Amino acid sequence: GAGVSQSPRYKVAKRGQDVALRCDPISGHVSLFWYQQALGQGPEFLTYFQNEAQLDKSGLPSDRFFAERPEGSVSTLKIQRTQQEDSAVYLCASSLVGQGGQPQHFGDGTRLSIL
Amino acid sequence: GDSVTQMEGPVTLSEEAFLTINCTYTATGYPSLFWYVQYPGEGLQLLLKATKADDKGSNKGFEATYRKETTSFHLEKGSVQVSDSAVYFCAPHNTDKLIFGTGTRLQVFP
Repeated sequence: GAGVSQSPRYKVAKRGQDVALRCDPISGHVSLFWYQQALGQGPEFLTYFQNEAQLDKSGLPSDRFFAERPEGSVSTLKIQRTQQEDSAVYLCASSLVGQGGQPQHFGDGTRLSIL
Repeated sequence: GDSVTQMEGPVTLSEEAFLTINCTYTATGYPSLFWYVQYPGEGLQLLLKATKADDKGSNKGFEATYRKETTSFHLEKGSVQVSDSAVYFCAPHNTDKLIFGTGTRLQVFP
């Protein structure tokens, strides 16, 4: 498809397990973003890539969260030793460039539930 | 830091009523402004945008004007439909990230 693709759509894990969430951006989009959306809240910024470079990771809540985009296309958000407060929808977005008036295009998200 | 304040929901309207959802923001510099919409069970979709003062963004009958002097970007629609029921997010875009408010849920009844 032409949109941002995220997988899996749903992920259930036990507390303490590691998880990996995948994002496939729109072809040709230079910039890629990860957001976390808790239930009933707006999305909150986690991290931003321009090509393969991670230019901003100020929103990552702890060192258990790690993101990569090694070839400047697909990105993976990894959460180690998951905790219940990590339960949320994780949204990926891409845009042609990261700054200015370029809109970000969002995937449908991965709903993560930690038991 | 940058922040957004939206009117609390839910906003409940009858079909064909006039809609206003207020949005004010604080941001350093000169952000671009966006409204996104999230329909039930779906991801965020761009609704409209404005990139400079006095610009008016419009789409699907929705409009919002970039008011720099009042740091506001209120969303309006003249006649809402049941299909407009969704959560609406105002989001300034500054440097590299979108800043989202808590969203405003709109419920339209026939």
